[in-house]
Amino acid sequence: DADVTQTPRNRITKTGKRIMLECSQTKGHDRMYWYRQDPGLGLRLIYYSFDVKDINKGEISDGYSVSRQAQAKFSLSLESAIPNQTALYFCATSDKCRGPKLYGYTFGSGTRLTVV
Amino acid sequence: AQTVTQSQPEMSVQEAETVTLSCTYDTSESDYYLFWYKQPPSRQMILVIRQEAYKQQNATENRFSVNFQKAAKSFSLKISDSQLGDAAMYFCAYNAGGTSYGKLTFGQGTILTVHP
Repeated sequence: DADVTQTPRNRITKTGKRIMLECSQTKGHDRMYWYRQDPGLGLRLIYYSFDVKDINKGEISDGYSVSRQAQAKFSLSLESAIPNQTALYFCATSDKCRGPKLYGYTFGSGTRLTVV
Repeated sequence: AQTVTQSQPEMSVQEAETVTLSCTYDTSESDYYLFWYKQPPSRQMILVIRQEAYKQQNATENRFSVNFQKAAKSFSLKISDSQLGDAAMYFCAYNAGGTSYGKLTFGQGTILTVHP
C-alpha cells in the first residue's frame, strides 16, 4: 500500500456540485498539505495542517475547505465546484522533526479533477 | 513572499548527453532549503536532490548534481548521461525556515524530453 493515498484518482463533476477529495497516510507524519497543479503554474498551496487542531490557509484557499479528521486523514472539499477548479490535486505529508528540510515531502499520486 | 522561477518551459536532450535545468528564487531569508522534484507521466512526485543553503558544497546524487549560487539565488540541476527514464516534468522548490517552515514553494516546472 502507498504511504499517502488519495481518492479518487480521477473525477469528473458538474459545475455547482460539492465534491470531497480524500487523503490518508500511513507515514505517521503530523503535517499534511493540499496543493493544486496547473500547467505553467506549478504547484500552489491550498491548505496545510501542522496537527489535528492546526489548520491554515495557503495562497489559494478561496473556494476550498478542509477537514483534518485524524492525524492520518486530511480531506479537501469544493463546496460548489467551478470549471476554474479543474486541476491536478496533490496531498502531501511531512514529519515535524525531520521534516521537509531533510526529506522533502511524501506525496500522494494525485487526483485529477475535471469540472464541466 | 518567496518566489521560484523556472524560465525553461521545455528542454530536450539526447540520450547519454548532459542537460541543465535552470531555477532562480527570490528570498530575504538566510536559512532555507532547495529541492528538485521529478514528475513522470505516472504523476508521482519524486524527490531528486536537495540543497541546504548554509552548505557551500553542491549536492550530488549519482547522475544528478546541482549548481547552487547563493548570491545569485540560482539553483540549477544538471543531469549527466541522460536516460530515457529521465523524461519527466521537473520542479524546483524552496522551503524557508522560521514561520514558513514546512511549506514548499514550487516553480512552474520544466518538461524534459529525452531523445534516443
